[in-house]
Amino acid sequence: QKEVEQDPGPLSVPEGAIVSLNCTYSNSAFQYFMWYRQYSRKGPELLMYTYSSGNKEDGRFTAQVDKSSKYISLFIRDSQPSDSATYLCATSRGGANSKLTFGKGITLSVRP
Amino acid sequence: NAGVTQTPKFRVLKTGQSMTLLCAQDMNHEYMYWYRQDPGMGLRLIHYSVGEGTTAKGEVPDGYNVSRLKKQNFLLGLESAAPSQTSVYFCASLQSQGSETQYFGPGTRLLVL
Repeated sequence: QKEVEQDPGPLSVPEGAIVSLNCTYSNSAFQYFMWYRQYSRKGPELLMYTYSSGNKEDGRFTAQVDKSSKYISLFIRDSQPSDSATYLCATSRGGANSKLTFGKGITLSVRP
Repeated sequence: NAGVTQTPKFRVLKTGQSMTLLCAQDMNHEYMYWYRQDPGMGLRLIHYSVGEGTTAKGEVPDGYNVSRLKKQNFLLGLESAAPSQTSVYFCASLQSQGSETQYFGPGTRLLVL
């Protein structure tokens, strides 16, 4: 079992839809949880960052972490065509020499 | 402030040839990373560095070497390229432990024939 599993895609939704992207992880030592967005032929960029369990909201984006079930979610409200990209979840233990473990990524397409 | 830059953007190699990918960051970050991204595989860590003069192996280090002679530069070398090394290579940097925010470069597309 990979340490971080991400829902397979691709995902296509109409403009204005609510999008739910999900990941699960297996290592209970993970403390930091991130969502990266990657546009076609570009490098990933950090979208949301959460420490431990809870919710974090930033505009139309909400990141949710449930450590009891080892579940990570990203919600996008009122999705826009500009949200069309690949979304990667990532986790880290934190601390000395910590490294990110990424999910495989899911490609989202928002249709106008 | 350019952030993280990578050179070259695209390269075609023949099997057995060697090359070096250059990553440069101007944010004075301590930590630097090399990843490869393949379809259906996500981002996989090749090598990383926690400071000038130090390097360590990641998840998929075989066939690659790295050097961090200067804090701002992290080089990834392929001594004898193989078709299995066809991939998109990303460099990233991190300021310090605790920030956990890695900044990625634009990537280098490598095709090995």
